[in-house]
Amino acid sequence: KNQVEQSPQSLIILEGKNCTLQCNYTVSPFSNLRWYKQDTGRGPVSLTIMTFSENTKSNGRYTATLDADTKQSSLHITASQLSDSASYICVVSFLTPSFGNEKLTFGTGTRLTIIP
Amino acid sequence: EPEVTQTPSHQVTQMGQEVILRCVPISNHLYFYWYRQILGQKVEFLVSFYNNEISEKSEIFDDQFSVERPDGSNFTLKIRSTKLEDSAMYFCASSEGQQFFGPGTRLTVL
Repeated sequence: KNQVEQSPQSLIILEGKNCTLQCNYTVSPFSNLRWYKQDTGRGPVSLTIMTFSENTKSNGRYTATLDADTKQSSLHITASQLSDSASYICVVSFLTPSFGNEKLTFGTGTRLTIIP
Repeated sequence: EPEVTQTPSHQVTQMGQEVILRCVPISNHLYFYWYRQILGQKVEFLVSFYNNEISEKSEIFDDQFSVERPDGSNFTLKIRSTKLEDSAMYFCASSEGQQFFGPGTRLTVL
């Protein structure tokens, strides 16, 4: 069964500190891996997208890494800000036979809280 | 920047009633999706829609649910005879490659 597992479940850090979130997946075949930020009561917003051939992708203070051999990814947040408080969701995409449609499998998310 | 919009933002209904959740996808997108997120749980795929028909659906998407694209802009999710366990955030997404999500509709079934 295709699964995406994330750790830790929740994390609290001081403003200005760095943190790293982990994602392990068993989805196969694999098209791309994404990290989304989801504020409470809002829809997910894409941070990074990586294909299986990419090892790292940055978006400002967010840097995602991917090891397709071990099926692991991480999201590193540098110099955290209060606005980074949100859930961070790892999502793995694979193509289905139907019209080339892609299907997303969501992880359970890491709830990140930044405290001043 | 174009975005996916959803209405209403919050819907409260009595158990057994029918609800229709509405979405306006990004205008040049051809693939449309509905997802559900029960409070505290992960986002779950419900259904995808392409060329005016369902292309994929999950086991959650049973006969209680239906989707429709009644005109050139709206994409709707109808839930018949709502149950307490249907209470959740419902997200619409559209894509022409990467999926873009709407802000969601919070459905509360009393």
